[in-house]
Amino acid sequence: QSVLTQPPSVSAAPGQKVTISCSGSTSNIGNNDVSWYQQFPGTAPKVLIFDTNKRPSGIPGRFSGSKSGTSATLGITGLQTGDEADYYCGTWDSNLSAGVFGGGTKLTVL
Amino acid sequence: QVQLQQWGAGLLKPSETLSLTCGVFGGSFSGYYWSWVRQPPGKGLEWIAEINHSRRANYNPSLKSRVDMSVDTSKNQFSLTLRSVTAADTAVYYCARSLWDCSVTSCSYVMEVWSQGSTVTVSS
Repeated sequence: QSVLTQPPSVSAAPGQKVTISCSGSTSNIGNNDVSWYQQFPGTAPKVLIFDTNKRPSGIPGRFSGSKSGTSATLGITGLQTGDEADYYCGTWDSNLSAGVFGGGTKLTVL
Repeated sequence: QVQLQQWGAGLLKPSETLSLTCGVFGGSFSGYYWSWVRQPPGKGLEWIAEINHSRRANYNPSLKSRVDMSVDTSKNQFSLTLRSVTAADTAVYYCARSLWDCSVTSCSYVMEVWSQGSTVTVSS
C-alpha cells in the first residue's frame, strides 16, 4: 500500500498527450515538492522532474510537472514508443520523516 | 560525473542479516543524503532509509526496527544493514544520491543519481 496513489496504467497513441496523476496528502504532496521518475524494465529509475516542475539537463521539454493541492501531475506530449515505461512520483512525507513513492504507472503507447 | 557502485551478498536465508555497501565515485560525499530504495519483483519502489555525511539518518517507519545505515567518509561509502530477513525482503536494492532541503514550510526531495541495483533473494 503506497502512501501516494497513482493509476496502475495509462495509454495513448503516438504523438498524443498523456497525463499521470499522483495523489497524496498535506503531509507530503500538499506541502512538499514532487519528483517524477522513469523506469524501463531491468534498469534503475531516472529523474524526469524535480521540485514539482523542473527538468534535469537532458530531459526533453515534452515532459512537464505540476501540482495542485495534494495532487501532482506528470504530462507527456508528443508521445513516442520509446516513452513506454513505468513512471513513479515521489516526495518527502513530513509526518513520516521519510521519502515516499507512488505505486507506479505503466505507460503504453499504442 | 558521479557514479554509485554497490556490493553485498545476493542470496540469504530467512533470519539472516542483509548487508549492502555503496561506493561513491567521482563526486563529493558531503552536502548530500545517501539513500537506499528497493523494488520487489514486479512491484513498485519502496524507500528504505537515508543518511548524510554527519550520520544524520532517516528511516522508513515500517522497516525502522530492522534497519541501520552507516557511513565511512574516508572511503566515500555508505552501508545498509537489514536484520531478520524474510522472503518479503526479496527485491532489487538500489543506492542513490539524494538532495534533501527543508525550509520551515516545505521540503524539496529528489533522488538524482542511482546505482544499477543488485538483486537480493531470501530463500531457505
